[in-house]
Amino acid sequence: DTAVSQTPKYLVTQMGNDKSIKCEQNLGHDTMYWYKQDSKKFLKIMFSYNNKELIINETVPNRFSPKSPDKAHLNLHINSLELGDSAVYFCASSQDQRTGGRTEAFFGQGTRLTVV
Amino acid sequence: QKEVEQDPGPLSVPEGAIVSLNCTYSNSAFQYFMWYRQYSRKGPELLMYTYSSGNKEDGRFTAQVDKSSKYISLFIRDSQPSDSATYLCAMSAGYGGATNKLIFGTGTLLAVQP
Repeated sequence: DTAVSQTPKYLVTQMGNDKSIKCEQNLGHDTMYWYKQDSKKFLKIMFSYNNKELIINETVPNRFSPKSPDKAHLNLHINSLELGDSAVYFCASSQDQRTGGRTEAFFGQGTRLTVV
Repeated sequence: QKEVEQDPGPLSVPEGAIVSLNCTYSNSAFQYFMWYRQYSRKGPELLMYTYSSGNKEDGRFTAQVDKSSKYISLFIRDSQPSDSATYLCAMSAGYGGATNKLIFGTGTLLAVQP
């Protein structure tokens, strides 16, 4: 069973469209994340949710809106897509991060988004 | 200056060589240190996890953390072609909430030649 799974794996879309990426984890973790990896392989955190509560919101355009219906799911909706949004988006999860402790994250396989 | 610096490589070594990968960082609050391996078109997978300074060994892999120098290393012994991947260092302060976010290095691309 895949621990952190995200769909779709590939997404090609035109500028101006709205798209969503979905993520699910079966590790029993309380915290989930969205990371963006650019063409130079640099991974940067975008958002983090703990048990449906937003705890990290980095400087990301408000065209990006995360939603967590429950602690096992975290979705990312992107409005009015731009060429610069092309990247690989990774979902990840970890143990409860509200109070500290082990911080390693487990990653999904990524969604390769190409905006044309 | 980035919080975490890592030589992007590429690093090419012959099979069987000892590989040394390094990161430096500037934030003295970091206390949790990780190494991830990422194969092409795959997600990062956790290799090593270390808390504070010291060494940790797992099979052919050894992670070292020197907090006084703000320097971490990953050593790979008897390197294999299957070790060819991008290696990412990551670290966090780990005091809860936003301090738990992982800050990544830019990754080092390693190629082990058969």
